[in-house]
Amino acid sequence: DIVMTQSPDSLAISLGERATINCKSSQSVLYSSNNKNYLAWYQQKPGQPPKLLIYWASTRESGVPDRFSGSGSGTDFTLTISGLQAEDVAVYYCQQYYSTPFTFGPGTKVDIK
Amino acid sequence: QVQLVESGGGVVQPGGSLRLSCAASGFTFSSYGMHWVRQAPGKGLEWVTFIRNDGSNKYYADSVKGRFTISRDNSKNTMCLQMDSLRAEDTAVYYCAKSGYCTSTSCLRLPFDNWGQGTLVTVSS
Repeated sequence: DIVMTQSPDSLAISLGERATINCKSSQSVLYSSNNKNYLAWYQQKPGQPPKLLIYWASTRESGVPDRFSGSGSGTDFTLTISGLQAEDVAVYYCQQYYSTPFTFGPGTKVDIK
Repeated sequence: QVQLVESGGGVVQPGGSLRLSCAASGFTFSSYGMHWVRQAPGKGLEWVTFIRNDGSNKYYADSVKGRFTISRDNSKNTMCLQMDSLRAEDTAVYYCAKSGYCTSTSCLRLPFDNWGQGTLVTVSS
């Protein structure tokens, strides 16, 4: 199984500042045949289901604000929130869909400082 | 718009059974793969199972293999999860999630682009 790790476990950022969340997979999720990284980011607000933010490591889902961006390749990935807003308070999960069992990172909780 | 509504959750004793349903609307259900994902209280997300758009392929997490069965009825836009031999560690909110459009070459390895609100399953004596 591919193990996903995230850092930090939590972070508190001032409104308008940048938040950076790191995700690492225990093996590469880059498929050489199509040069795609099978890596997604989800946002989960309290009492709500997860919401897809980013897929293929860097493609923003329709309707997601452009302050959310994803980067990285292979085994190391980053989710960046440029200019944190109050509505961004949530837990963020990375997930690999490269191979079953599809696995999620443990989550990073983002709060306002 | 896409809507996924889970039902069937509740309290069940260890060793018991429960059947969850996911009613889908707002998209061509028969063209998309579907997943179940669960989340234990206060914990992270765990993928449970996947079914291809036509039901021809199914995949399970080791933790539920042999106990859970996924199925779908494309005529009713519904997916089900039959859960048998339930254990305390199966206690969780169960979400159904829509995958991407299935083609002849790509159906499984796609992001989960829509989720239901979830249904709570509690396994306790």
